[in-house]
Amino acid sequence: DTTVKQNPRYKLARVGKPVNLICSQTMNHDTMYWYQKKPNQAPKLLLFYYDKILNREADTFEKFQSSRPNNSFCSLYIGSAGLEYSAMYLCASSRRLGGSAETLYFGSGTRLTVL
Amino acid sequence: QQKVQQSPESLTVSEGAMASLNCTFSDRSSDNFRWYRQHSGKGLEVLVSIFSDGEKEEGSFTAHLNRASLHVFLHIREPQPSDSALYLCAVSVSGGSNAKLTFGKGTKLSVKS
Repeated sequence: DTTVKQNPRYKLARVGKPVNLICSQTMNHDTMYWYQKKPNQAPKLLLFYYDKILNREADTFEKFQSSRPNNSFCSLYIGSAGLEYSAMYLCASSRRLGGSAETLYFGSGTRLTVL
Repeated sequence: QQKVQQSPESLTVSEGAMASLNCTFSDRSSDNFRWYRQHSGKGLEVLVSIFSDGEKEEGSFTAHLNRASLHVFLHIREPQPSDSALYLCAVSVSGGSNAKLTFGKGTKLSVKS
């Protein structure tokens, strides 16, 4: 089973309010990732967990938080949503770090709309 | 910094006609190449991975890599309307701490019956 599950599928949030997105995988993968995708743009890596170690991209460091309470779950947290956060958020996992010939398996995504 | 560009931005083909998508990358040390597909409102589905020059076939999808020219192609044999989707090229360098796949913006493929 190569399933990565994301909840919810659609999320509506108000400007200034927090948002929490959930991802789970049952493949015992070491690494879990969060990507942001906007229309007509390439998916953008926000952060990833390798085991318990969180790595956040330099340009999104202040905007996104994450937690990984166990190997199977990973959350993406936005403390105060802005209009620019409206996007599809994609969770992925891989057995090791993705650069080492490991395939990333993606979930179906959560479409976040901030009003 | 790796740059990945895809062309064309959109492509319409008739059912059964070969579809060819192009991806160029900038980092000559790249050695991991993957093609993903995203149907509207869905997540990314990996189609084919290729790690050395030449061709790799997975079902109706064939990836063709030419690292000297910094190109990786995806050919779709006898596409069906259900193959209409956004096709994304992803490139990375194996080893070290570089975990990042760099994606292109994608090619939107429409297959007309």
